[in-house]
Amino acid sequence: DQQVKQNSPSLSVQEGRISILNCDYTNSMFDYFLWYKKYPAEGPTFLISISSIKDKNEDGRFTVFLNKSAKHLSLHIVPSQPGDSAVYFCAAVYSGGGADGLTFGKGTHLIIQP
Amino acid sequence: EAGVAQSPRYKIIEKRQSVAFWCNPISGHATLYWYQQILGQGPKLLIQFQNNGVVDDSQLPKDRFSAERLKGVDSTLKIQPAKLEDSAVYLCASSRRGGNQPQHFGDGTRLSIL
Repeated sequence: DQQVKQNSPSLSVQEGRISILNCDYTNSMFDYFLWYKKYPAEGPTFLISISSIKDKNEDGRFTVFLNKSAKHLSLHIVPSQPGDSAVYFCAAVYSGGGADGLTFGKGTHLIIQP
Repeated sequence: EAGVAQSPRYKIIEKRQSVAFWCNPISGHATLYWYQQILGQGPKLLIQFQNNGVVDDSQLPKDRFSAERLKGVDSTLKIQPAKLEDSAVYLCASSRRGGNQPQHFGDGTRLSIL
């Protein structure tokens, strides 16, 4: 039972355009959401997060949107750059208890084309 | 600030052998996590420590996996005996104590079982 779903295994975007990565979750207890970026042979790198009390969080070229009623979040990257080519993981957690291990999606491979 | 350190980077063993992985978290991070990432999947939590106590080990296959964090800093994860399905990348992460703190990952140990 996958509680965090990233339905697009891969996404190809032209350099300079907007990249939109999507993520859906099923567990209504999740209240903190994170995006990680992963290059081959490296560990995931934290990118941006959002708490369930917000619907938007912005950090430079990266913006995360949260739609709680739809249990959906998205990561927008504007403008997309060649260095953004990587696998992006969506993760979620219920932060109200002591156990706060992340539940990850399967990832989306973003390819930025010149 | 130095990141999460893991060793070894790669390990190849035969099934039924034993193997151990080491992790040194970011200085000052009280919480430490071990994740297993199978090819094509997102990381899956195995165990979470808060200082030297176990917070969550509900997904750890305890018949063959064990982990410890004796002095509340470094941690080791052991597999004995290894099975073919244990082939994966083992990731260590750490975070500060408190709500809504992002986890920071090491580069992982890639384990291949022959």
